[in-house]
Amino acid sequence: EPEVTQTPSHQVTQMGQEVILRCVPISNHLYFYWYRQILGQKVEFLVSFYNNEISEKSEIFDDQFSVERPDGSNFTLKIRSTKLEDSAMYFCASSVGPGEMRGYTFGSGTRLTVV
Amino acid sequence: GENVEQHPSTLSVQEGDSAVIKCTYSDSASNYFPWYKQELGKGPQLIIDIRSNVGEKKDQRIAVTLNKTAKHFSLHITETQPEDSAVYFCAASAQAGTALIFGKGTTLSVSS
Repeated sequence: EPEVTQTPSHQVTQMGQEVILRCVPISNHLYFYWYRQILGQKVEFLVSFYNNEISEKSEIFDDQFSVERPDGSNFTLKIRSTKLEDSAMYFCASSVGPGEMRGYTFGSGTRLTVV
Repeated sequence: GENVEQHPSTLSVQEGDSAVIKCTYSDSASNYFPWYKQELGKGPQLIIDIRSNVGEKKDQRIAVTLNKTAKHFSLHITETQPEDSAVYFCAASAQAGTALIFGKGTTLSVSS
């Protein structure tokens, strides 16, 4: 079964440093997403991306965050200057396309620890 | 925006019993309601979903019901097994390509 692949699985970074989290969505999917889950809390939406631009973002997704699809397969989340409160699991997801939600699939996540 | 409430936060059952988890949503425009199972250290895995034009859907031991008038939907697991132990999240979305709004999760423990 097709999977959403995320790397790295764990990332430890110093406060103030930049991090890039990487994702390879399912190949025929057109919508891409990042979600965040702080330990023990619910999964929170960050951003959705379609047709090479952000289609929706939450209030969490402020100026320190950016997303990019640098080539035909990767989808990245950059956090420019990490803060302690950015420590969380970050999940990438992808879905098929307009009118079809059934293929909404999550990756296994990247655990980001900011020290 | 959409807000999804989920209850209970924890649920303990004996193997073989049924488990029911309930969610309510606020946005009447929401029309897609998936349920995810999350095991420790893993991403959410879709277990069943329902759209607003359907009142009930069943897949083996798992069923979901939807009441659009009351804006609530429920997950039913029958004949629970220890491997059903996990955190379960409900979610709601208005249309394809938009955000899934999640509930806070229910930790289900099935003891043998």
